[in-house]
Amino acid sequence: ELKVEQNPLFLSMQEGKNYTIYCNYSTTSDRLYWYRQDPGKSLESLFVLLSNGAVKQEGRLMASLDTKARLSTLHITAAVHDLSATYFCAVESLYNNNDMRFGAGTRLTVKP
Amino acid sequence: EAGVAQSPRYKIIEKRQSVAFWCNPISGHATLYWYQQILGQGPKLLIQFQNNGVVDDSQLPKDRFSAERLKGVDSTLKIQPAKLEDSAVYLCASSLSLGWGVYEQYFGPGTRLTVT
Repeated sequence: ELKVEQNPLFLSMQEGKNYTIYCNYSTTSDRLYWYRQDPGKSLESLFVLLSNGAVKQEGRLMASLDTKARLSTLHITAAVHDLSATYFCAVESLYNNNDMRFGAGTRLTVKP
Repeated sequence: EAGVAQSPRYKIIEKRQSVAFWCNPISGHATLYWYQQILGQGPKLLIQFQNNGVVDDSQLPKDRFSAERLKGVDSTLKIQPAKLEDSAVYLCASSLSLGWGVYEQYFGPGTRLTVT
């Protein structure tokens, strides 16, 4: 069964600081997605990573994928308060009807 | 472009009652998903449709949950009878292929169900 683990689950950081969220998964996949969820809202797609070594950047967020290590990272550069949200990674299994499994999420709070 | 529509947005029922949720995907999106998101957890896929056919329902509790997408467009998810542990947000998503069998999902606002 595909398992997806994120860490940390909770992250409190100061504005202007850098940090990385990690997403590990248990089976072969080269399709990984990052989503953002604001409180009481639905999920917003941030990045779609489709191959080993893929790197995508949008503003202060950069996501990467290492399929050999079964690891994706979401790096936050010079955090601002607007980035406060919950971030989910999701992995699509290649061998089970493209079953999508989400991590538990990382609740990020950026303090002034 | 209109997004994924869901209704109702909120529903409170007593245990053992029935409830139904409705979803209208983005126009042209052949794939539709229903997820259950329990507070503090990531979404859990319940069922995936490709047009009006079921692709994956391995995590759907079929003794009480059912879903249909009769005309390959909108979909309903039903719970009968509801249990306390069904309290969650039910998210509908739809997707369009990006090529190579890759699908980017667009999520609706969700229906928050409280079972008392």
